[in-house]
Amino acid sequence: EDKVVQSPLSLVVHEGDTVTLNCSYEVTNFRSLLWYKQEKKAPTFLFMLTSSGIEKKSGRLSSILDKKELFSILNITATQTGDSAVYLCAVVPIDSNYQLIWGAGTKLIIKP
Amino acid sequence: GAVVSQHPSWVICKSGTSVKIECRSLDFQATTMFWYRQFPKQSLMLMATSNEGSKATYEQGVEKDKFLINHASLTLSTLTVTSAHPEDSSFYICSAKQGPTLEAFFGQGTRLTVV
Repeated sequence: EDKVVQSPLSLVVHEGDTVTLNCSYEVTNFRSLLWYKQEKKAPTFLFMLTSSGIEKKSGRLSSILDKKELFSILNITATQTGDSAVYLCAVVPIDSNYQLIWGAGTKLIIKP
Repeated sequence: GAVVSQHPSWVICKSGTSVKIECRSLDFQATTMFWYRQFPKQSLMLMATSNEGSKATYEQGVEKDKFLINHASLTLSTLTVTSAHPEDSSFYICSAKQGPTLEAFFGQGTRLTVV
């Protein structure tokens, strides 16, 4: 059965710290992996990763995919209280019509 | 990025009534729309996939007669929760994509409370 596992489930750090969130997957016919940030409402798209070893970067956030070891990490440097959210990882299998397989999410709390 | 507008943001209704939630793609043609349900502290659960002009494909365990989905145009899909019960109270989110692209965009979500 296809599955996506995120770790840790929750994380509390202080402002300014760097965090690394993990997403591992077991999915038949992997196509791509997506990261989302969810605050109070719907998820906001962060990154889509399709190729191994190519880092995607957006400001203080970056992400990379390892298709050999079947995982991805999301890094956030110099964290701010506004980074507090649930970070969701999802995998898109080939020929799935974009039916995502979701991880349970990592709840990140940034303390001032 | 593309914009998907979901309406209403929140709704409270009485048991037994029906509620309609709209999902609109504002600046692109949404050939495929997805409806999700999210319970507190849980991940998103796909309810159904709808392609424009076709009947929606429901996930196992989702009652198609209870959760009516219409995707009659390339910019609008609706989810109607019929004869709502308190256990239908949840956060419903739509997402939309255009053509074969992988990236989908989410609506703001609708908080439904059935009393």
